Amino acid sequence: GENVEQHPSTLSVQEGDSAVIKCTYSDSASNYFPWYKQELGKRPQLIIDIRSNVGEKKDQRIAVTLNKTAKHFSLHITETQPEDSAVYFCAAQPGFQKLVFGTGTRLLVSP
Amino acid sequence: DAGVIQSPRHEVTEMGQEVTLRCKPISGHDYLFWYRQTMMRGLELLIYFNNNVPIDDSGMPEDRFSAKMPNASFSTLKIQPSEPRDSAVYFCASSPQGARTGELFFGEGSRLTVL
Repeated sequence: GENVEQHPSTLSVQEGDSAVIKCTYSDSASNYFPWYKQELGKRPQLIIDIRSNVGEKKDQRIAVTLNKTAKHFSLHITETQPEDSAVYFCAAQPGFQKLVFGTGTRLLVSP
Repeated sequence: DAGVIQSPRHEVTEMGQEVTLRCKPISGHDYLFWYRQTMMRGLELLIYFNNNVPIDDSGMPEDRFSAKMPNASFSTLKIQPSEPRDSAVYFCASSPQGARTGELFFGEGSRLTVL
């Protein structure tokens, strides 16, 4: 079955710096790659996603890149702010509506 | 819509007791998922339903776990008997069939502590 690996597990940056989180997946059939943000004690919520026919997608300060050949995708956050502090999960979809998540990255943005 | 509703939000029980977690998906969503979240393993898919029918239960850890969806607006996840290693946050999520994206809408979660 699909296996998603995510790195790093924790990431500390200064406010205004950029943050990059990387994920790899194993199933070449996966074609949908979302990113979820989970604030402390809250539910995970979708922040951005990308499909396999697109190499990059951007939404304001966040962007996601996908390399299907290498089976990896990344989340980029620019000009980080303290409210970006959260746990971020990547995921891959090997079958219709079934998402397999990575283990999460705890991002801490210090003022 | 109020979103996905889960109950209880917190449950503390003793080893060996039966635990039942409940979920009400968003109206009109035909997919329902149960995930377990722990520090060590992140978000693990336990089981998911489509139109009330279990599609994939390969993530259910063992026979102590069972899930049902008797109708489109209600699902339960039961653990019997419970063990300390079952302590985790259990999330229910729903998704509309035919959606362009596979976005999941999560509930607030049920935090289970087994002593």
